[in-house]
Amino acid sequence: DTGVSQDPRHKITKRGQNVTFRCDPISEHNRLYWYRQTLGQGPEFLTYFQNEAQLEKSRLLSDRFSAERPKGSFSTLEIQRTEQGDSAMYLCASSFKIDKPYGYTFGSGTRLTVV
Amino acid sequence: KQEVTQIPAALSVPEGENLVLNCSFTDSAIYNLQWFRQDPGKGLTSLLLIQSSQREQTSGRLNASLDKSSGRSTLYIAASQPGDSATYLCAARMAGNMLTFGGGTRLMVKP
Repeated sequence: DTGVSQDPRHKITKRGQNVTFRCDPISEHNRLYWYRQTLGQGPEFLTYFQNEAQLEKSRLLSDRFSAERPKGSFSTLEIQRTEQGDSAMYLCASSFKIDKPYGYTFGSGTRLTVV
Repeated sequence: KQEVTQIPAALSVPEGENLVLNCSFTDSAIYNLQWFRQDPGKGLTSLLLIQSSQREQTSGRLNASLDKSSGRSTLYIAASQPGDSATYLCAARMAGNMLTFGGGTRLMVKP
């Protein structure tokens, strides 16, 4: 297990379509995070899981967004009825519990373009 | 609410120069501060992590410092190389579990 994997790397979709992204964290990590990054900006927090429980959601995560982490392993992020403003890089990260000072490990991201 | 600012937003230097990237944060009650590198169109690579109880961390040509009382962190890059060209992001972690990122510094090292 060499790192955090995200699939797909790129996604182009028409406005109004639904899209789903997948993240496979480092297997030893029990925390998984989703961030969104628009061009020229730093990433912004969306949500995080500890094992299978979704513990925190940003107000950026509108009703059209849903994230799951069944069985505490991989996670999916679904965007329904996509809008042009959803175009961004979606980054997944994983970490140990907060008391282990190893920080976050990020994946390569999924770049979404809504046309 | 934590706010993180990075200055400068962009920096261009000739190869071989030593340089300093700045990061400031408004809430000093941070758990740790992490510096990342991001190449164009790619994800984030962790460079250095400084715990709130630490003053600095070093890795190769990189040295990061943390001054909680003044709300500042710096990333020092020695003897810069063209391969160092990338965007550098700092992120502050509070007692919760989210990182608050700065806007990044885009570094160009010219041969």
